[in-house]
Amino acid sequence: AQSVTQLGSHVSVSEGALVLLRCNYSSSVPPYLFWYVQYPNQGLQLLLKYTSAATLVKGINGFEAEFKKSETSFHLTKPSAHMSDAAEYFCAVRPSGYSTLTFGKGTMLLVSP
Amino acid sequence: DTGVSQDPRHKITKRGQNVTFRCDPISEHNRLYWYRQTLGQGPEFLTYFQNEAQLEKSRLLSDRFSAERPKGSFSTLEIQRTEQGDSAMYLCASSLEGDTGELFFGEGSRLTVL
Repeated sequence: AQSVTQLGSHVSVSEGALVLLRCNYSSSVPPYLFWYVQYPNQGLQLLLKYTSAATLVKGINGFEAEFKKSETSFHLTKPSAHMSDAAEYFCAVRPSGYSTLTFGKGTMLLVSP
Repeated sequence: DTGVSQDPRHKITKRGQNVTFRCDPISEHNRLYWYRQTLGQGPEFLTYFQNEAQLEKSRLLSDRFSAERPKGSFSTLEIQRTEQGDSAMYLCASSLEGDTGELFFGEGSRLTVL
């Protein structure tokens, strides 16, 4: 069975500071990994995905994530936070050969001026 | 391409009533998924279809929950005899077939059971 752990239900940063949201996964087969963002009362929007090509993946809005197999991690980063980044972020895993995504519990990113 | 649309966006009902949610996927997507999201939690998988075939339904929460996709286009999720614990956001997503295809989500249908 696959699972996703997101460390920290809330992360607070100042505008302009580095954003780091942590995600660790477990999967018995090579995984495909995804980060989604959710704004209040909206659905989920894909930020980026890892599909076994480059281990450093760049996404929208200046976010990127690095797949580290040895650490079973897929942490999300952004060099400089913007107020508009305040939202909830979900990491998800889809093991190869599976059809469904399994999500973590999410991390709420708070950005202060 | 208008994206995934869900209807209604909000539903308030009394305990014991039946409710039905509709999802219209992106037109060329053959896979359709239903997830449930409660406060402070990530989306929880319920069921999915490939075309009109329901390929996984063991994760539906109880026999009060059922889903259909009769012609391989739109889908409905019905909850019979609603309970207060059914209050949640019900999310629909669609995708193309294949491991690497991401899911495209609708804006969800929020259910409140009084």
